[in-house]
Amino acid sequence: DVKVTQSSRYLVKRTGEKVFLECVQDMDHENMFWYRQDPGLGLRLIYFSYDVKMKEKGDIPEGYSVSREKKERFSLILESASTNQTSMYLCASSSAGTGPLFFGSGTQLSVL
Amino acid sequence: AQTVTQSQPEMSVQEAETVTLSCTYDTSESNYYLFWYKQPPSRQMILVIRQEAYKQQNATENRFSVNFQKAAKSFSLKISDSQLGDTAMYFCAFMFEGYDMRFGAGTRLTVKP
Repeated sequence: DVKVTQSSRYLVKRTGEKVFLECVQDMDHENMFWYRQDPGLGLRLIYFSYDVKMKEKGDIPEGYSVSREKKERFSLILESASTNQTSMYLCASSSAGTGPLFFGSGTQLSVL
Repeated sequence: AQTVTQSQPEMSVQEAETVTLSCTYDTSESNYYLFWYKQPPSRQMILVIRQEAYKQQNATENRFSVNFQKAAKSFSLKISDSQLGDTAMYFCAFMFEGYDMRFGAGTRLTVKP
């Protein structure tokens, strides 16, 4: 079975903290993604990566950065967490081309 | 830019009945892919069905089928014989290139016993 694993299901952080969200996939997929999910807005792309050490900005990259040092791992970093970054974060991966995305089970982040 | 619109924020259906979820999209591309994803309370996004735009035949997966109208840019999902386990958020998604998937805002479906 394909598997995308997100390190935390729930996370509570304080304003100004540096936050790391980790994602690992075991499908040898080239592409990896970070989405943010908010009610009424659907899923919005933050960053994606199509290869190791490669990254591209999505629609809402401000306040976020990413790291992909190994093919199977894609990290989302909040350099200085703010309350407006309280949200559900979903990681996904896909094979090169137009394959469907496979998702992790999400991290609900609360920034207080 | 491609956009996806789901005009029904919430819907409900009686168990065993049929329900149709609407989705429209906007694109100038001719070759693309469309998806329906389901997100139950567990939050796990599950691929329900996929449609290639160059295929005229509507995709089906067991009780799930789509009505793909390319000229109208419409991609609705029909769920037949609804079951309680179908209760979930449903997202319509559009993909042109392999790294640019766009999602609608979602439709919350409740199946009532």
